[in-house]
Amino acid sequence: EVQLMESGGGLVPPGGSLRLSCVVSGFTFESYAMTWVRQAPGRGLEWVSTLTGSGLHSFYSYSVRGRFTISRDNSRHTLFLQMNSVRAEDTGIYYCANPTDFYDSNGSFQDYWGQGTLVTVSS
Amino acid sequence: NFVLTQPHSVSGSPGKTVTISCTRTNGNIASNYVQWYQQRPGSAPTTVIYEDSHRPSGVPDRFSGSVDSSSNSASLTISGLETEDEADYYCQSYDSDIFVAFGGGTKLTV
Repeated sequence: EVQLMESGGGLVPPGGSLRLSCVVSGFTFESYAMTWVRQAPGRGLEWVSTLTGSGLHSFYSYSVRGRFTISRDNSRHTLFLQMNSVRAEDTGIYYCANPTDFYDSNGSFQDYWGQGTLVTVSS
Repeated sequence: NFVLTQPHSVSGSPGKTVTISCTRTNGNIASNYVQWYQQRPGSAPTTVIYEDSHRPSGVPDRFSGSVDSSSNSASLTISGLETEDEADYYCQSYDSDIFVAFGGGTKLTV
């Protein structure tokens, strides 16, 4: 059974830091580029960052570039998002998913999304 | 930067057909694949269309996707509407600059 379990969310003051984790099981984690997608309360989906399967290449949205860092530990099947200098507009549910890399080794489509972790930036 | 623009909301009666558009500004819609996601309240998104027009296993064939270069838009069409189709729908595509973008989302009311 495929599972993606995000954790690490919570209440953080503006300017503070938070580290999100996404532990996965049931698929070959290291074979997939993984992505963080967020959703502010009552708003739409927003791409945050993507990291290749090897961990060598990362991509960030303009809104988080220079403040957030994506990383992964393939031996622990875990994706991370280090969030620094957070702002009120960073509030939302953070999902880990594979929207940019969805073919398995057999060429079949695979759609992996976690249930998300809520980050609230407020004093 | 490129932007994907969707209507805020659409509606249709059970059994009818609705189409949700996704118009790209800055760049050619046909240059990068488009995905469509369905999100029900309180749930994570799931893919209903990938690479413009492909349906994942388990998605009913009532869902179809297309791309029209003349209008620089992608479309998600849902035929034979069912009450369970009521959800938010998002398009998503790529760009060499900002990499990934989502449309603003469309609320479908059945």
